[in-house]
Amino acid sequence: GQNIDQPTEMTATEGAIVQINCTYQTSGFNGLFWYQQHAGEAPTFLSYNVLDGLEEKGRFSSFLSRSKGYSYLLLKELQMKDSASYLCAVRDLRGNAGKSTFGDGTTLTVKP
Amino acid sequence: EAQVTQNPRYLITVTGKKLTVTCSQNMNHEYMSWYRQDPGLGLRQIYYSMNVEVTDKGDVPEGYKVSRKEKRNFPLILESPSPNQTSLYFCASSGSGGNIQYFGAGTRLSVL
Repeated sequence: GQNIDQPTEMTATEGAIVQINCTYQTSGFNGLFWYQQHAGEAPTFLSYNVLDGLEEKGRFSSFLSRSKGYSYLLLKELQMKDSASYLCAVRDLRGNAGKSTFGDGTTLTVKP
Repeated sequence: EAQVTQNPRYLITVTGKKLTVTCSQNMNHEYMSWYRQDPGLGLRQIYYSMNVEVTDKGDVPEGYKVSRKEKRNFPLILESPSPNQTSLYFCASSGSGGNIQYFGAGTRLSVL
């Protein structure tokens, strides 16, 4: 099975940088995803890592270390609209099936 | 516009009254999935489908049924709803390989 851990809450200041960590244990890793979810809305895709290293996408970057079962999402130049929940998710490919497990999410509050 | 459409958005029902939540996607995606989201428990996968007529259980399938007779539709069926199925439900789809998932707007279900 899969087990995903991420901090429950984080607070940061507008304009700053914040790093949200995610650790996972999985029996058949097939990619790690980060989603953003504003309150009352659907999750939206942010970033995807399947190989070790850093993926950069504008103000957002995501890092993966498969050997350590570790990822982080880095948000730069924080804006008030970045206040949301950030979900770490792992895809597990066993046989021909594809199963997704999400962490409980990290609620980020950006303060002026 | 590419989208995943769920209906209804809100539903209040009573214990034991069968209901169906519909999900439709217009992106010709092979992979579709249903999740429930509860406070403190994050997104949990109920069922997923890798293609037409291919479905499999997620982490919390008890009390739910699904079918995938056509590629675009993946309805979630609650044969005999119970109060513990009160939750926010999301349908999602993704292309070949089941990578980035696109979520519907959600269905908020209350079972009295």
